Amino acid sequence: AQSVTQLDSHVSVSEGTPVLLRCNYSSSYSPSLFWYVQHPNKGLQLLLKYTSAATLVKGINGFEAEFKKSETSFHLTKPSAHMSDAAEYFCVVSDPGGYQKVTFGTGTKLQVIP
Amino acid sequence: DAGVIQSPRHEVTEMGQEVTLRCKLISGHNSLFWYRQTMMRGLELLIYFNNNVPIDDSGMPEDRFSAKMPNASFSTLKIQPSEPRDSAVYFCASTGLAGGQFFGPGTRLTVL
Repeated sequence: AQSVTQLDSHVSVSEGTPVLLRCNYSSSYSPSLFWYVQHPNKGLQLLLKYTSAATLVKGINGFEAEFKKSETSFHLTKPSAHMSDAAEYFCVVSDPGGYQKVTFGTGTKLQVIP
Repeated sequence: DAGVIQSPRHEVTEMGQEVTLRCKLISGHNSLFWYRQTMMRGLELLIYFNNNVPIDDSGMPEDRFSAKMPNASFSTLKIQPSEPRDSAVYFCASTGLAGGQFFGPGTRLTVL
């Protein structure tokens, strides 16, 4: 069984300040983990993925996430927020292969204040 | 590669009509997922296929919904008859051995 918890449903940051979106997971296996972004009225775009290689994963648009097994966490960070980062972000866990059924978190809406 | 392709992008229909949504996978991918997204319930997995075989359809809301994968690159999701509560954005996603689901742009369905 696997599950994922996104700890914040809404996060608000000022433009130029750091972003932290939190995600904790539970899995019976060594999981694959992903972050997706969804801009308003758009589809979901893969930001980055962890599949048991380097624990610090770099993604698109300056985002990165660190897999911490001891804390069962996979938090998403970015040093400096841009207005274009305003969107909803989903943390996702899947089985080790990453190509079977996945479990989505409930999403975190990121607001960026000018 | 063109990515996952969905059609139509928008569909407006009347209650009771049949609706067919279409999805073309990324070449070489072997798993296909259908999702529904609404404001009330968020993103829900309806059904997924692996190598053309339905693996888990427990998310399909009721018998009015059916999905097929007639070949390795194409899938359809059919709603018959449609109801207003089926109004949502329907996404399909495909994945291959490298992992990570790639989503299509979605079909926005409105049932009047």
